[in-house]
Amino acid sequence: QVQLVQSGAEVKKPGASVKVSCKASGYTFTTYTIHWVRQAPGQRLEWMGWITAGNGNTKYSQNFQGRVTFTGDTSASTAYMELSSLRSEDTAVYYCARQYSYGPWDYWGQGTLVTVSS
Amino acid sequence: QTVVTQEPSLTVSPGGTVTLTCASSTGAVTSGYYPNWFQQKPGQAPRALIYSTTNKHSWTPARFSGSLLGGKAALTLSGAQPEDEAEYYCLVNYVGAWVFGGGTKLTVL
Repeated sequence: QVQLVQSGAEVKKPGASVKVSCKASGYTFTTYTIHWVRQAPGQRLEWMGWITAGNGNTKYSQNFQGRVTFTGDTSASTAYMELSSLRSEDTAVYYCARQYSYGPWDYWGQGTLVTVSS
Repeated sequence: QTVVTQEPSLTVSPGGTVTLTCASSTGAVTSGYYPNWFQQKPGQAPRALIYSTTNKHSWTPARFSGSLLGGKAALTLSGAQPEDEAEYYCLVNYVGAWVFGGGTKLTVL
C-alpha cells in the first residue's frame, strides 16, 4: 500500500536550519510530484511548493523563496525539505503529500512537528 | 497575493445536507483551477476527498460530492454523519502554484 513516512519531531533554535524527510513506498517514486505543506498551530494549511521526483524540478511558494530547498533521492525513494533561517513563526507541522501530474493529491505523510524556540 | 475564501464555520444536523464553498480573489473558480477538497480531524493529517472539481477517491464516502456553483468550487455533504465533523479545506491551482482556502469548521449537531 502507498505510504509516505516522515521523519520525527525537531526542536531548533532561531536562525538554524531543519531538514525533514518523506520516505515513499508502495508506488514508483519517480512518477509522482511531492508537495510540501505546513500548518502552524490553529492555522490553515499553507502550500510551500513541490518537487517532481523523477527529474528534481522544483517550484517554491513566493512566501518561502530563498529559504526553502526541496531535494529528492530516487535510490531511497525519499524527498527532503530544508528550511533555513528559522524563526518562531516557522513552528508548525510540516506535511508531504503526493500528486500525479495535474491529477489528484491523494496520500499524505503523517506530519513532522518542527518547533523553533530559543 | 491570491486569497481563497471559505465559510469559517457551518453547522448541519445529522442526516442533513450542507454545501461548503471555495471562492477565489481573482474571479470565478473553474475546472482549470483543479479544485481539491480535504478533510482534517484534530491531530490528524488531511485526508483527500475530491480532486479536479468532481472526482472522488476510492475511499471517499458516496455522501460527499464536488461541483462548481455560482463561480465557486463546492463540496456538498448529503446525509451528514457524526464522523463528518471536521475541518474542510479546498485547494486550487494558479498556474503551477497552489493555494489553500482558510478552511471550514463543520459541526454536526
